[in-house]
Amino acid sequence: GIQVEQSPPDLILQEGANSTLRCNFSDSVNNLQWFHQNPWGQLINLFYIPSGTKQNGRLSATTVATERYSLLYISSSQTTDSGVYFCAVEGGTASKLTFGTGTRLQVTL
Amino acid sequence: NAGVMQNPRHLVRRRGQEARLRCSPMKGHSHVYWYRQLPEEGLKFMVYLQKENIIDESGMPKERFSAEFPKEGPSILRIQQVVRGDSAAYFCASSPGFRYEQYFGPGTRLTVT
Repeated sequence: GIQVEQSPPDLILQEGANSTLRCNFSDSVNNLQWFHQNPWGQLINLFYIPSGTKQNGRLSATTVATERYSLLYISSSQTTDSGVYFCAVEGGTASKLTFGTGTRLQVTL
Repeated sequence: NAGVMQNPRHLVRRRGQEARLRCSPMKGHSHVYWYRQLPEEGLKFMVYLQKENIIDESGMPKERFSAEFPKEGPSILRIQQVVRGDSAAYFCASSPGFRYEQYFGPGTRLTVT
């Protein structure tokens, strides 16, 4: 099956800093989604981005499908950005998401 | 527009009991997916259902686990004779069609004592 790797595994930032999270996948994909799992465990949809670039406030994402990677940018980080960020892809003939192992982000004051 | 709803949010079962987890998809969504998140791990796909049909159950354990999505009512994930290793967060997601964006519910946290 398709493999999804995320880097870095852990990230500590001071409030106000910017960061880039990376997601590499092993095969062509039909869909790609980014999620934020907050400290209460809830999964929040950030982007649905099988290709191209999207922006939503301080967050933006770019997927380069031909090179099999996606990037999530967080600018001017806030403590509420803390949590785990997951990349998930859907490939082949299936309609199911394969999740990466996540990037754990901690934003400190 | 209500999101995906799951209940109960927390469920405690003793070893050997049955656990029933419910999921109501977003309005207008007829595709439901179940995922499991073990402690400190990512989410793993379990099963994909449409109304009255199981489309893909390649991630379901072979024994004790079953899922349904009846014509009326929520989707149900059923775990019989639970064991401690079943302790996890179980998430349901829904989408309006095949390979559309999936939206997740708040999850059910199952603890087996």
